[in-house]
Amino acid sequence: SQQGEEDPQALSIQEGENATMNCSYKTSINNLQWYRQNSGRGLVHLILIRSNEREKHSGRLRVTLDTSKKSSSLLITASRAADTASYFCATADSGSARQLTFGSGTQLTVLP
Amino acid sequence: NAGVTQTPKFRVLKTGQSMTLLCAQDMNHEYMYWYRQDPGMGLRLIHYSVGEGTTAKGEVPDGYNVSRLKKQNFLLGLESAAPSQTSVYFCASSPFPPAGQMAQYFGPGTRLTVL
Repeated sequence: SQQGEEDPQALSIQEGENATMNCSYKTSINNLQWYRQNSGRGLVHLILIRSNEREKHSGRLRVTLDTSKKSSSLLITASRAADTASYFCATADSGSARQLTFGSGTQLTVLP
Repeated sequence: NAGVTQTPKFRVLKTGQSMTLLCAQDMNHEYMYWYRQDPGMGLRLIHYSVGEGTTAKGEVPDGYNVSRLKKQNFLLGLESAAPSQTSVYFCASSPFPPAGQMAQYFGPGTRLTVL
């Protein structure tokens, strides 16, 4: 079963706008990660936030984590056409940090 | 440094045939994983390995077997392929996590069709 559920399933924005994707999960976690997948390619790790962190930045990416609500958000600022991809959240359970459980993803389209 | 590579990239099988997917990594990672990805879904873990000679079941292990005879290789076998195993298969690896889970590094995927 899927641990993380992303919202929205699909998002279309203009270049230069910000894109926000949300992820909800069900169990206690050790950390939460976001990955990007370009069409026909493997996943690429973007950012990891630990359960004791509330916010993390990496370049144009900003991730927040609210463990009380079991949710996370990924913000991409000043989006570019090259950001067009599927974005997945993945959680590492606090009881089994060896594995990741992936959500179903958000398909982001950035229009030039 | 090639990272994670997968062989083959594409394969078409008939129901009942067998095949082996090969994953290789050159990053000296301890952990390796096999996932499948179906349309509109995220990745589901099939099997994983926490070191040479070890394997463990993931979320959807039925119909698959794995082996990790060498640290750098992780093989996924289908003994008797079924149409339900039509999917894109991804291999991933990660270093031994010092505290909690580290990022996983993915291969480019193998697109398998079972007729």
